[in-house]
Amino acid sequence: GAVVSQHPSWVICKSGTSVKIECRSLDFQATTMFWYRQFPKQSLMLMATSNEGSKATYEQGVEKDKFLINHASLTLSTLTVTSAHPEDSSFYICSARGRDRGLNEKLFFGSGTQLSVL
Amino acid sequence: GQQLNQSPQSMFIQEGEDVSMNCTSSSIFNTWLWYKQDPGEGPVLLIALYKAGELTSNGRLTAQFGITRKDSFLNISASIPSDVGIYFCAGLNAGNNRKLIWGLGTSLAVNP
Repeated sequence: GAVVSQHPSWVICKSGTSVKIECRSLDFQATTMFWYRQFPKQSLMLMATSNEGSKATYEQGVEKDKFLINHASLTLSTLTVTSAHPEDSSFYICSARGRDRGLNEKLFFGSGTQLSVL
Repeated sequence: GQQLNQSPQSMFIQEGEDVSMNCTSSSIFNTWLWYKQDPGEGPVLLIALYKAGELTSNGRLTAQFGITRKDSFLNISASIPSDVGIYFCAGLNAGNNRKLIWGLGTSLAVNP
C-alpha cells in the first residue's frame, strides 16, 4: 500500500533555532499534503494544507511565518518551525492524499515527528 | 473547528472480548475513515468507507458507513493485546474543502 515517510522521528533543539521536517510520498504522487499537530491524548489538529507548486493554506490561528511549508514536488513537502520556542514542542504529523487501485481517495500518514524545544 | 462525536472515550476490556465504537456527525460525509494510532506513531488507516450502508471488514475489524451518512461504527472481534491503542474516526466532506474532520478518539486497553 501507499507509504508516507516522515523524517526525523524526533528532534531536540534549543530555543531560537529552526527545525525542518520532511514528508515524502514513496510510491505515489501527492498533489496535496496536510500538516497536523497533536498534543498528548488529543486528536489531530490540522495546521495547514499544502498543494504542490502553490502556497500553503493555513488554518485559523496558525502563524504562516512561524510554520513555513514548502511543497516543491509531487512527492515532498517540508515544514520548518522557525525560531522554535518551548511552546512549539509537540508531535507533528504529515499526511498525503493518494488513491488506491480502485481509485478511491485515501489519506496516508507519516509516522510523526516529536519536537522538543529546550 | 468541527469535530465528530466519538464514543466511548475509553474502554478497558478482557482479551477475547468484542469491542464496538462509533462516530456521529450533524452533517453528511462522503467518506468515513477509521485509523489506529500507537504511542509516538502516526495514524494507520484501518478501514475506508465510501458508500452509505457499506459494510467492510479487515481481518477482525468491521466498519459500517451509516445509511444516513452521518454515522459510522467500528467493531473489533476477539480482541488481543496488540489491539491496544487509540482509534480515531474521520469524515471527509466534499463541501469542506476536502479536509478531514476528526473524532476525539477512543482509547482501548486490553487486559491479557
